[in-house]
Amino acid sequence: EVQLVESGGGLVKPGGSLRLSCAASGFTFSSYSINWVRQAPGKGLEWVSSISSSSTYIYYADSVKGRFTVSRDNAKNSVFLLMNTLRAEDTALYYCARDPSTVLPAAPLDYWGQGTLVTVSS
Amino acid sequence: DIQMTQSPSSLSASVGDRVTITCRASRSITSYLNWYQQKPGKAPKLLIYSASSLQSGVPSRFSGSGSGTDFTLTISSLQPEDFATYYCQQSYSTRKTFGQGTKVEMK
Repeated sequence: EVQLVESGGGLVKPGGSLRLSCAASGFTFSSYSINWVRQAPGKGLEWVSSISSSSTYIYYADSVKGRFTVSRDNAKNSVFLLMNTLRAEDTALYYCARDPSTVLPAAPLDYWGQGTLVTVSS
Repeated sequence: DIQMTQSPSSLSASVGDRVTITCRASRSITSYLNWYQQKPGKAPKLLIYSASSLQSGVPSRFSGSGSGTDFTLTISSLQPEDFATYYCQQSYSTRKTFGQGTKVEMK
């Protein structure tokens, strides 16, 4: 069974940092890209970042570029999102999602975790 | 970035109704359009990919169509479990942007 489990969320002050983790199981992790998608309270989905299977290709939304850094450790079946200089508008539920683009070009996000909540407030 | 615009933002419908949601891309995305369903407190669930391909396990009352910039999600006969928010997403570009969502509510 494919599983993605996010962790690392919490309450942080504006300007602070947080590192999210996404632990994967049930599939060949090193063959898949992983995306991060966030959802502010009561709002829609916002694509945040993606990292390819071997970390060769990394992309960010303009809203987080220069502040967030995505990485992965294929030996530990995990992806990380380091979030610096956090702002109130970064408050959201952060999901990681599997992306089969390595084997299926322009693929959808076929499996999602349950999300981890990040709250940026003083 | 490619902008995705859904309409309507919300709709009210009854069980058994035929429901149609549209999604427009700011430029051609060929057929790289996906649809997701999200229920309150739950993660999004993939329904349709590549504009018209049904994800495994998704009921056949869901269908998708379109190409280029204009796309449609249709629910042929709305069921009680279909009341949810639906999102389109383009996967044509590396930054896979979403529409703003369409909430399907009970009339």
